[in-house]
Amino acid sequence: DVKVTQSSRYLVKRTGEKVFLECVQDMDHENMFWYRQDPGLGLRLIYFSYDVKMKEKGDIPEGYSVSREKKERFSLILESASTNQTSMYLCASSFSPGQALQETQYFGPGTRLLVL
Amino acid sequence: AQSVTQLDSQVPVFEEAPVELRCNYSSSVSVYLFWYVQYPNQGLQLLLKYLSGSTLVKGINGFEAEFNKSQTSFHLRKPSVHISDTAEYFCAVRSLDSSYKLIFGSGTRLLVRP
Repeated sequence: DVKVTQSSRYLVKRTGEKVFLECVQDMDHENMFWYRQDPGLGLRLIYFSYDVKMKEKGDIPEGYSVSREKKERFSLILESASTNQTSMYLCASSFSPGQALQETQYFGPGTRLLVL
Repeated sequence: AQSVTQLDSQVPVFEEAPVELRCNYSSSVSVYLFWYVQYPNQGLQLLLKYLSGSTLVKGINGFEAEFNKSQTSFHLRKPSVHISDTAEYFCAVRSLDSSYKLIFGSGTRLLVRP
C-alpha cells in the first residue's frame, strides 16, 4: 500500500512564527503536492514538485515556500505564520504521467494548523 | 481555465436509498475526471476516475459515475448507501494541456441517516 505520512496531525503556532510541515511518501513517486483545504472552498494547490529540487507555484503560493531535497520528502514552510493561514494542509504524491498507476494522487492524513 | 462545480454542499439521505452527487466541469480541452472521498479525520482517497473508453466508470465501495461530454458532467451514483458512506466527496478535473494540476470542486457532504 502506498503510504503518505505527515509529520503532525495538529499544530498550534503563534503569529509570526516560522512553521515547517513535513511530508514523506514511500512509493518512489516523482510528483508531490501541497494543498490547503478550507470549508466551502475544496482543495487549493499551494505548490507542487515534479522532481528533486524542482518546484512550481500552484494557485495560492503567497506566504508559503517549499523544499524538496530528497525524492521522498516534501516540506511546506510558512515563513511568518498569519491567522489567515489557519487551515487543514494536505500532502499528496503521484507518479508522472505515462507511468503505471498514473493519474492517481495519494493523500496523507492532513495537518490541522491553528495560528493564534 | 478549468473549473469544477459541485452543486450540492450537503446531501442527506436515508440508509439503503439511492444517491446521486452532481459534478459539472468547464474546460476548453479534453479532461480526465476523478471522484475522491474523505472520511472524517482522514486524507482523500480515490473512488474512481475517467481517463478514456467507456463513459460509465465503476469504483470502490459500489460507487459509479458517468461521463457526459455534451453536458460536461460527471455525476457520482450509488444504488443503496450505507451509514459508512457518510463522508465528504470531491470531484476533480485535470485538463490534458496542463502538467499535473488537479482542480477540485468545493465538495459535497453526504450524510446517511438510519
